[in-house]
Amino acid sequence: ILNVEQSPQSLHVQEGDSTNFTCSFPSSNFYALHWYRWETAKSPEALFVMTLNGDEKKKGRISATLNTKEGYSYLYIKGSQPEDSATYLCAFMFRGNMLTFGGGTRLMVKP
Amino acid sequence: NAGVMQNPRHLVRRRGQEARLRCSPMKGHSHVYWYRQLPEEGLKFMVYLQKENIIDESGMPKERFSAEFPKEGPSILRIQQVVRGDSAAYFCASSPRQGGSYEQYFGPGTRLTVT
Repeated sequence: ILNVEQSPQSLHVQEGDSTNFTCSFPSSNFYALHWYRWETAKSPEALFVMTLNGDEKKKGRISATLNTKEGYSYLYIKGSQPEDSATYLCAFMFRGNMLTFGGGTRLMVKP
Repeated sequence: NAGVMQNPRHLVRRRGQEARLRCSPMKGHSHVYWYRQLPEEGLKFMVYLQKENIIDESGMPKERFSAEFPKEGPSILRIQQVVRGDSAAYFCASSPRQGGSYEQYFGPGTRLTVT
């Protein structure tokens, strides 16, 4: 059984705050790590696909880092805005097809 | 370019009936994945298909559930003799290639309610 853990489960921040959350995953048989943003009543939206140890990816105010040797990835949001409120999911891929999802971090940004 | 489409969005079935969930992948995508989200739980992998082939069904219950992705037409997830425990949101995703470096694009999901 693969364990993909995300912390914290939920997070309340004020508009303008920067924040980060953690995804931990098995460090063996690593293939890829995906990050998704999931707003209520919408489809999960792909943010990043990370495959190499030390990878850093950025999209606007959101960035992510990857450490495959120790089995963790961080997602950072700089200057949070109310529209960033969503659940952020990470998903571990250890074969070339199946994603194993963490439980998500639910972010709420107060104006 | 239309995204992944799923229909119906909401489906209500009585216990014992059959449920058919459809997924049309993004144009040019030949890899389809089905995931299930049970109430208060996260997304769980069910099955991975390519055109006319089931590649990995390790996450699918052995009984009553089947999936197909024919040469023409959408992928179908079929649940026979539904029970209350099948009530969940079923999501499908597609990708252009196999492999971890390719994003999976998700559809809006079908919410199945079994009464």
